[in-house]
Amino acid sequence: KAGVTQTPRYLIKTRGQQVTLSCSPISGHRSVSWYQQTPGQGLQFLFEYFSETQRNKGNFPGRFSGRQFSNSRSEMNVSTLELGDSALYLCASSPLPGLASSYEQYFGPGTRLTVT
Amino acid sequence: TQLLEQSPQFLSIQEGENLTVYCNSSSVFSSLQWYRQEPGEGPVLLVTVVTGGEVKKLKRLTFQFGDARKDSSLHITAAQPGDTGLYLCAGARGNQFYFGTGTSLTVIP
Repeated sequence: KAGVTQTPRYLIKTRGQQVTLSCSPISGHRSVSWYQQTPGQGLQFLFEYFSETQRNKGNFPGRFSGRQFSNSRSEMNVSTLELGDSALYLCASSPLPGLASSYEQYFGPGTRLTVT
Repeated sequence: TQLLEQSPQFLSIQEGENLTVYCNSSSVFSSLQWYRQEPGEGPVLLVTVVTGGEVKKLKRLTFQFGDARKDSSLHITAAQPGDTGLYLCAGARGNQFYFGTGTSLTVIP
């Protein structure tokens, strides 16, 4: 079974631009979560989608948004990019939403975003 | 302020040595997971612990969840170069996971 795929793997953008990142979960998984990873803050939760609905949202500004399609693929968008948005953006998929005791997340390799 | 603090932040040891990584919080978690992340890759789940006091062993790795479900430890016996990576703990609280600050482990051959 193929793992979680994320595209693109690397991206360079300029301040003020917007960017869209894509995530394809493991086949059969319907929950997709997005995380931002930086050296200073570590891994921080952005949002979670299940069946095309946002179920949970972390503490990020409204410039960060996402959506999920009927095939469970997900995209996240960052508008008006700032230098501080430079990070590794990770997507994780799970067969179930929320926090079951056997909850398991499977991460993709991430998209490395650099804002100049 | 991070909900989960890991220590040490960096660890460099010789092959064959033992080590322990700690994950501490003042908050209670319903479950706790440990991941290992290698450069250029996403984190890979190692284990999930759910019950206070629970101990799980995975070959040379031993994971323990604190009795009060606020902390956890990861012990590696006879470390090997393949154990090199970033170790992350993640606690389930409310409707999301909170990740620790990470421990970067280097095992020198």
